[in-house]
Amino acid sequence: KAGVTQTPRYLIKTRGQQVTLSCSPISGHRSVSWYQQTPGQGLQFLFEYFSETQRNKGNFPGRFSGRQFSNSRSEMNVSTLELGDSALYLCASSLAGNTIYFGEGSWLTVV
Amino acid sequence: AQSVTQLDSHVSVSEGTPVLLRCNYSSSYSPSLFWYVQHPNKGLQLLLKYTSAATLVKGINGFEAEFKKSETSFHLTKPSAHMSDAAEYFCVASNQAGTALIFGKGTTLSVSS
Repeated sequence: KAGVTQTPRYLIKTRGQQVTLSCSPISGHRSVSWYQQTPGQGLQFLFEYFSETQRNKGNFPGRFSGRQFSNSRSEMNVSTLELGDSALYLCASSLAGNTIYFGEGSWLTVV
Repeated sequence: AQSVTQLDSHVSVSEGTPVLLRCNYSSSYSPSLFWYVQHPNKGLQLLLKYTSAATLVKGINGFEAEFKKSETSFHLTKPSAHMSDAAEYFCVASNQAGTALIFGKGTTLSVSS
């Protein structure tokens, strides 16, 4: 059974650009959530989707957005990138209310 | 508000000696609690989870944790450390709806030979 797959694994962007990260959950999982990991702030919750609906959102500015498709795949977008957005972005999936499984993450560097 | 506090940012042990990683939580409801491990440049792997069944939870790779409501603690232990245990460990709580995880700041475990 394939795990949570995130693409791309590594990317470098310039300040002011936008980026889209993709996540394919474990087959059958309908909940997808996103987390940002930085050395200073640790792991912080971004948002969670279930059946294409955002059910929960963390304390991040509106530049951070996401969506979920009918096949449960999810994307997150960050617009007007800032240096401080450099981080490991982790996607996780679960069956409703069950154990959450993480992907290996997308490393974003903003220069 | 719910929170998770990992009491040590760094723990160093010798191979073959016991491991203790400490975690306290604060919650207005009975939480689901987890320990995740992260090896360098890797994602997060679930070690074990507590969901209000048995208070002593056994996980993978010989790790276990005990939920103590009176102490609001969920410490992670292992009888004998192995070099491959060197990693970052996160104590985590789930929000009441199960839609988000609240992470502790992490504990780096170093294992020396």
